[in-house]
Amino acid sequence: GAVVSQHPSWVICKSGTSVKIECRSLDFQATTMFWYRQFPKQSLMLMATSNEGSKATYEQGVEKDKFLINHASLTLSTLTVTSAHPEDSSFYICSASIGRGADTQYFGPGTRLTVL
Amino acid sequence: AQSVTQPDIHITVSEGASLELRCNYSYGATPYLFWYVQSPGQGLQLLLKYFSGDTLVQGIKGFEAEFKRSQSSFNLRKPSVHWSDAAEYFCAVEGDRGSTLGRLYFGRGTQLTVWP
Repeated sequence: GAVVSQHPSWVICKSGTSVKIECRSLDFQATTMFWYRQFPKQSLMLMATSNEGSKATYEQGVEKDKFLINHASLTLSTLTVTSAHPEDSSFYICSASIGRGADTQYFGPGTRLTVL
Repeated sequence: AQSVTQPDIHITVSEGASLELRCNYSYGATPYLFWYVQSPGQGLQLLLKYFSGDTLVQGIKGFEAEFKRSQSSFNLRKPSVHWSDAAEYFCAVEGDRGSTLGRLYFGRGTQLTVWP
C-alpha cells in the first residue's frame, strides 16, 4: 500500500515552454502533498507544500509564478514549470502524506526535467 | 533553523563489511530524525525514524541508527552490507511540528558503493 506515482518519469522540453508534472497517491487519500527539487549529487530541497483545495505554501526563494502548484483532489497534485529555462533542469520529486507527521509521507519516483 | 549535514559524499565498502553513515543535525529542541534510501527509479523509502525514547532505533533491511544528543548525531549502521544496499542514503530532520508540520529538511546524501 501507500504508493505514489509521478508522470512523466522524464521529460525534455524547449526553453520557454511549460511543463506539467503529475503526482498521484494511488491507494490512499493524501491530506498534504509536498514538492521537492533535487540537483545532481545534492540534497532534496523542499519547494512547496500543498493541501487539497487551498493555495500552496512555497518555501523561501521559490518563485510562485514559475512553479505553479495545483492540488485539485485528495489524490492528485500537479506542478507546472512555466516558461522553463535550462536552469530549471532538475529532478522533481513529490510526496504525499497520509497524516500529520513527516513519517506519514510517501515519495514518488521522481521526474527528470531537461530543458534545452 | 533546522539543518542536516552528511559529511561523507561517497562511501565504498566490501560486501559483508560493516557500515556507518554519518549524520549531524542542527535543531533547537528534540529533533524528529529520519533515514531514507533512494534507489534509481524508485521513490525514497523510509528506513527508520527517531522521535523520542530509546536512542537506538531499529529499521528495515537490517539497519539501525543511534541518536546521540551530546554529539548532535544520528548515524546509520549495518553490521553486514549486502550488494543490494548500494544506493543513495539521506538523513532528514522534520521541521517544528507546530508551524512546519511534515516539512522535511534533507542532508546532501551519501552514495554507497558495495564491492563484491
